Amino acid sequence: QQQVKQSPQSLIVQKGGISIINCAYENTAFDYFPWYQQFPGKGPALLIAIRPDVSEKKEGRFTISFNKSAKQFSLHIMDSQPGDSATYFCAASMAGNQFYFGTGTSLTVIP
Amino acid sequence: GAVVSQHPSWVICKSGTSVKIECRSLDFQATTMFWYRQFPKQSLMLMATSNEGSKATYEQGVEKDKFLINHASLTLSTLTVTSAHPEDSSFYICSARDQGTYGYTFGSGTRLTVV
Repeated sequence: QQQVKQSPQSLIVQKGGISIINCAYENTAFDYFPWYQQFPGKGPALLIAIRPDVSEKKEGRFTISFNKSAKQFSLHIMDSQPGDSATYFCAASMAGNQFYFGTGTSLTVIP
Repeated sequence: GAVVSQHPSWVICKSGTSVKIECRSLDFQATTMFWYRQFPKQSLMLMATSNEGSKATYEQGVEKDKFLINHASLTLSTLTVTSAHPEDSSFYICSARDQGTYGYTFGSGTRLTVV
């Protein structure tokens, strides 16, 4: 059973636009929700993360919106750039244990 | 910031041979390390969780005799793919949990090709 569901599978955005990726989870015990960015042939790199006591977290052009009641969280990339083209994974974990990853979203930002 | 060094970054080996992949936490101690496998255009699949000084915990369907994991120190975990076959070709990624901050850091991955 997929613990974390992610959509869309792929996304094409114009330069300067907003990229939005959504994730949903079932287990209410999850207490840490990170987003990772992965370039081809590289390991995932932590982009931004949030805990359930906060509804939004912003770091530069990247914002996580968290809806605890709906068990959903999303990544917003403002002013998307071609260099943002990568695969993005959401994840969830509880009590510092293993991560459960979403299926990934391939983002392409076209000039 | 926390750095995890994984090597080799890529390796080609002949079918039937064994390959060892190393994962080192360079500036923090990691009591727990995780090994993932990733197929092209797919998500990361957890293979096993290794705890320093004890046996690794393998996920269902992962052959522990084929994927040997050793976590002998707080900064080093190794994954050995024994008697490798072409179907073992994949991208293997480790991650380490900082004992002090509980933050996770991923290695850069190892591309294994078995010919």
